[in-house]
Amino acid sequence: NAGVTQTPKFRVLKTGQSMTLLCAQDMNHEYMYWYRQDPGMGLRLIHYSVGEGTTAKGEVPDGYNVSRLKKQNFLLGLESAAPSQTSVYFCASRQGSGTEAFFGQGTRLTVV
Amino acid sequence: ILNVEQSPQSLHVQEGDSTNFTCSFPSSNFYALHWYRWETAKSPEALFVMTLNGDEKKKGRISATLNTKEGYSYLYIKGSQPEDSATYLCAFMDSNYQLIWGAGTKLIIKP
Repeated sequence: NAGVTQTPKFRVLKTGQSMTLLCAQDMNHEYMYWYRQDPGMGLRLIHYSVGEGTTAKGEVPDGYNVSRLKKQNFLLGLESAAPSQTSVYFCASRQGSGTEAFFGQGTRLTVV
Repeated sequence: ILNVEQSPQSLHVQEGDSTNFTCSFPSSNFYALHWYRWETAKSPEALFVMTLNGDEKKKGRISATLNTKEGYSYLYIKGSQPEDSATYLCAFMDSNYQLIWGAGTKLIIKP
């Protein structure tokens, strides 16, 4: 019963380096989301997808790219990491219109 | 810009006492209101999804009410226990099915 799995759980990057965060869900959910969570702030939406092959920008998309080539996977890329991208990143998925979201365990990213 | 406000930001409650907190959201384009519980070092887990004005949901000692006309929801915890310590998040879902999150209420139960 994996649910939503994020990899990696922790990562330290140097400024300018690139990386990809992977989110995988085994619940056949249509919707997938990437959020960042910073101290004192709510979850802020980076990008989301409403189905395989689709992506859309959220509230804070700059500096990030995403892809959803397979329904079960949603990848978040940082092409050139900046210290402002130090955050905890959460992936979530849900099935349809009014349903609850299921979250991954989070990825703590530090950019130095 | 849609705004979801939660109050208070944090709350200290004595074990055994009951408590409640508020989520305020836009009263237009409403589709659903979600409540989540977020324990430290874990990920948020859904408590309730409410869609109808006047909805009341209950799970054990936790319950929630919804007023879509005035744009607020209350979460109640009866007889607080240490395991209730967590951050409680609400999220407003609009008619485009987008979730807009509040910043949360951090609840600390004092033994």
